[in-house]
This record gives sequence, C-alpha cells and structure tokens, in this order.
Amino acid sequence: GNSVTQMEGPVTLSEEAFLTINCTYTATGYPSLFWYVQYPGEGLQLLLKATKADDKGSNKGFEATYRKETTSFHLEKGSVQVSDSAVYFCALAPTGRRALTFGSGTRLQVQP
Amino acid sequence: EAGVAQSPRYKIIEKRQSVAFWCNPISGHATLYWYQQILGQGPKLLIQFQNNGVVDDSQLPKDRFSAERLKGVDSTLKIQPAKLEDSAVYLCASSRGQDRPNTIYFGEGSWLTVV
Repeated sequence: GNSVTQMEGPVTLSEEAFLTINCTYTATGYPSLFWYVQYPGEGLQLLLKATKADDKGSNKGFEATYRKETTSFHLEKGSVQVSDSAVYFCALAPTGRRALTFGSGTRLQVQP
Repeated sequence: EAGVAQSPRYKIIEKRQSVAFWCNPISGHATLYWYQQILGQGPKLLIQFQNNGVVDDSQLPKDRFSAERLKGVDSTLKIQPAKLEDSAVYLCASSRGQDRPNTIYFGEGSWLTVV
C-alpha cells in the first residue's frame, strides 16, 4: 500500500540554522508529493508540491526535490526563522487518485 | 475567496453519545474530503465525495460513522455512538477535482473530545 515516513520530532534549531526534514515514501507508479504545514491554532496549508521525478517544489524559502531513485522528498530551508515553528507533514497522492496519504508529521521549534 | 468552513470548532461529549460536524467547501469545489487527525499523527482519510457521490469510504468505520453530501455542496459527518478513541480533530477539505496535481484546501478542523 501507499505510505509516508517522516523523521520524528521535535526538531529544535536556532534562528538562521539550516533545516532538513526527511521524508520517504512507498507507492506504486508515479505519485505526486506534497509538504503541508500546520501553524499553531491554524489549519493545514499547502507549502509546496512536485509532480514528477527531479521536480523541485519551492515556497517561502523552503525547497524539496522529488527523488524517485531514493523515493524521497526531503524538505530543506537555508535559514529558519522563529515564525517557521510549526508541524510539517509530508504527503503523497497516488497515481490516478486525488486523496492524500500523510506522514505522521514533524514538529519544528525555532529558538531566537 | 472564502476558505473551507467547519462547525462546531470544539465539542465535548460522553461516550455513546452522538455528534455531527458540518462542512461548507470552497465555492465550486467538486471534491470534498473528511479526514481524522488523532493527536500526534497525520490526518487519515475517512471519506471522499465527488459532487454528491462517494468515491472512497474504505477507511470509514461504517458501524458508527456516516457522512453525506446532499446537493453536492455542504457535508455532514456523524458519529453515533461515540467511543473514547474517536477523540480527534475532524478535518474537512475540498478541491476542484479536475487539476493534477490536486491542490487540497483544508478547514481549521472540528476538535472532538469523548469522555
């Protein structure tokens, strides 16, 4: 079946540090891959997405590259801010389907 | 553009009672989803509608959960009778249903505590 595995949190960083949150997936065919973010007290928001191998999604300084050979979609940001503190979810939409399968989420805490 | 609206935001009920959640998707969105998010876990799909038809309800506990989307717009999710393990956030989401990849927009969720 389809599944998403994320690194466990919380991830605690100092402001301006480099961020990597690992995400790997299991799926048949060519799924679309997503990162969603959930800020405290708010709903899930799409952060970025990629639809095919070697695509790079980017938004708000965050980037992730669709790596089919390693079945990965790691989230990176060069310099985090306190305002990036949130829970980040990696997700996939299997080929031919629209509904998302989510990972368990990774909490990021950025300290001033 | 208004987002996905959900109500109530918070509900506390005793086990074996019933509860209903309401969702109004973004105008024009044909596809509507209900997800369950247990604390510390990622959201899990309960049911997906395309207009007023069910596309996928394979993970819906049908002995106690039911959902409908009359007229292909608003939707309600009902739990009867509730169990302690139903304590979770119930997320409604919607999408146009025609784009690929599909961008899904989520509401803020309805928080359910069963005591």
